[in-house]
Amino acid sequence: EPEVTQTPSHQVTQMGQEVILRCVPISNHLYFYWYRQILGQKVEFLVSFYNNEISEKSEIFDDQFSVERPDGSNFTLKIRSTKLEDSAMYFCASSERLAGNNEQFFGPGTRLTVL
Amino acid sequence: SQQGEEDPQALSIQEGENATMNCSYKTSINNLQWYRQNSGRGLVHLILIRSNEREKHSGRLRVTLDTSKKSSSLLITASRAADTASYFCSTPGTALIFGKGTTLSVSS
Repeated sequence: EPEVTQTPSHQVTQMGQEVILRCVPISNHLYFYWYRQILGQKVEFLVSFYNNEISEKSEIFDDQFSVERPDGSNFTLKIRSTKLEDSAMYFCASSERLAGNNEQFFGPGTRLTVL
Repeated sequence: SQQGEEDPQALSIQEGENATMNCSYKTSINNLQWYRQNSGRGLVHLILIRSNEREKHSGRLRVTLDTSKKSSSLLITASRAADTASYFCSTPGTALIFGKGTTLSVSS
């Protein structure tokens, strides 16, 4: 069964460093998403992406964040200058159609630890 | 996108018992979705119920939707220890917005 994959599974970085989290969505899906979950808190929407541009973003997704689909398979989330409060699990998801009409498939997540 | 609110926040039952979780939302919807999250893992889609449906079944899951009361319920029958997880409802727009969920603990 096709699945969303994410790398790395765990990333440790120093405050102020740039990190890139990678995701490979399901191949025939057209909509891509990033969510994060701070330890013990709820899953929070960051951004959705369709047709090579951002469709929607939350207040969390500020200028420190960017997303890119550099080729036909990868979908990346970049954090330019990490802060301690960026420590969280980051989940990538994809869907065949807009989430409103279709289920989203989530990856296993990347645990980001900022020291 | 709008958030669903799940109730109760926590539920502890014995294996074999049924578990019922509720979800309330505020505005009109096209559909409502339920997801499960095992501790520290990604979310898994369980079931989608459309606004013109009142009840839907999938294996041991039964979902109901009452659009007049803006509420939905998820029933897990004959629960197992593997059902221990957090359960979320969402009424999606372009993305999913999740509430705090119901944390279900099933003990053997």
